[in-house]
Amino acid sequence: QKEVEQDPGPLSVPEGAIVSLNCTYSNSAFQYFMWYRQYSRKGPELLMYTYSSGNKEDGRFTAQVDKSSKYISLFIRDSQPSDSATYLCACQESNYQLIWGAGTKLIIKP
Amino acid sequence: GAVVSQHPSRVICKSGTSVKIECRSLDFQATTMFWYRQFPKKSLMLMATSNEGSKATYEQGVEKDKFLINHASLTLSTLTVTSAHPEDSSFYICSAAGLAGVGYEQYFGPGTRLTVT
Repeated sequence: QKEVEQDPGPLSVPEGAIVSLNCTYSNSAFQYFMWYRQYSRKGPELLMYTYSSGNKEDGRFTAQVDKSSKYISLFIRDSQPSDSATYLCACQESNYQLIWGAGTKLIIKP
Repeated sequence: GAVVSQHPSRVICKSGTSVKIECRSLDFQATTMFWYRQFPKKSLMLMATSNEGSKATYEQGVEKDKFLINHASLTLSTLTVTSAHPEDSSFYICSAAGLAGVGYEQYFGPGTRLTVT
């Protein structure tokens, strides 16, 4: 079993829809949780960074962490075609090393 | 966020030659840098972790004599692919983490696409 599980998709939704992306993890020692966005042939870009359980909101993006169920989510409101990309979740203990999900390919249809 | 650059962005080399890729943190001091490779439609695979002034720590299965990493300063790490072969063709990405208030966040470079012919 991988430490971080993420459905690779693709996930296709119409423009304007609310997008829900999710990951589950198995290591209860993870404390930091990130979501990265990666466009084709580009390096990952940090979107959201959350410590421990709770919600964090930044514009159209909301990250949720539920440590009791080892479940992390990223919500995108009013999705745009420019949001089409691969979204990677990552978990981290107290050091710098990230444990990655497989990435979910998101397609927003105009 | 912090800015990390990579050079070159794309390189094509012949089998048997060596290629050096540079990773620079432009506006912060990176005490730790990471090197990843990514195959098409796959997630990032950590190759090695390097701390400034120390030898790199390689992940299992990554040949340290083939992928030479040097982290000579707080703003520069290099990855040299020695005696490259076509199977080394991949997208190589570095990331940097460190001081200047960036906490535990990692910032990624734009990646280098290596093609070995």
